[in-house]
Amino acid sequence: DTGVSQDPRHKITKRGQNVTFRCDPISEHNRLYWYRQTLGQGPEFLTYFQNEAQLEKSRLLSDRFSAERPKGSFSTLEIQRTEQGDSAMYLCASSLETNYYGYTFGSGTRLTVV
Amino acid sequence: QKEVEQNSGPLSVPEGAIASLNCTYSDRVSQSFFWYRQYSGKSPELIMSIYSNGDKEDGRFTAQLNKASQYVSLLIRDSQPSDSATYLCAVYDNNNDMRFGAGTRLTVKP
Repeated sequence: DTGVSQDPRHKITKRGQNVTFRCDPISEHNRLYWYRQTLGQGPEFLTYFQNEAQLEKSRLLSDRFSAERPKGSFSTLEIQRTEQGDSAMYLCASSLETNYYGYTFGSGTRLTVV
Repeated sequence: QKEVEQNSGPLSVPEGAIASLNCTYSDRVSQSFFWYRQYSGKSPELIMSIYSNGDKEDGRFTAQLNKASQYVSLLIRDSQPSDSATYLCAVYDNNNDMRFGAGTRLTVKP
């Protein structure tokens, strides 16, 4: 197992376009999290899944954002009608079903909206 | 009030000194506390976890927790230039989500 994988590493898109990111968690981890991080800030929670169920969504997650984890394995995060304010690093993390061990983060997807 | 607060820094220490990083949190029922290191342009990397009041040591790192004061700290002994990074404090909140502080940027000068 090579850890948490995210794809793509970088994405440049024009304002108004839709983008989709993928995250492959560590295989034995049943929890998967999406965070967003902007320069000089800590990661901000967006949403998380336990297996295929999306258990919580942040108020930060507007209607333009949607996340799925259809088979309880990989997850996708889609942003529709991107805005310049969506430019950020999107981080995926996974963990076991316990708050004891912390999260393992992927390398992130850096989104630039021009 | 932010849920997890850290001094943004930058904190600058000479090589070989002790770096002290501090964090306070607002949710009294939080049970698990973590320190992550983040190099510029990279993702956060877990370096320490602590769950009970007191100190926990791992190599050059010591985490300290005081639940009554809602305070967590990280000490880095014998600081090295390779320790230069942003250190993120993270707390599991009552919703079982991990909330992060904004991070403290540490520079260790040779």
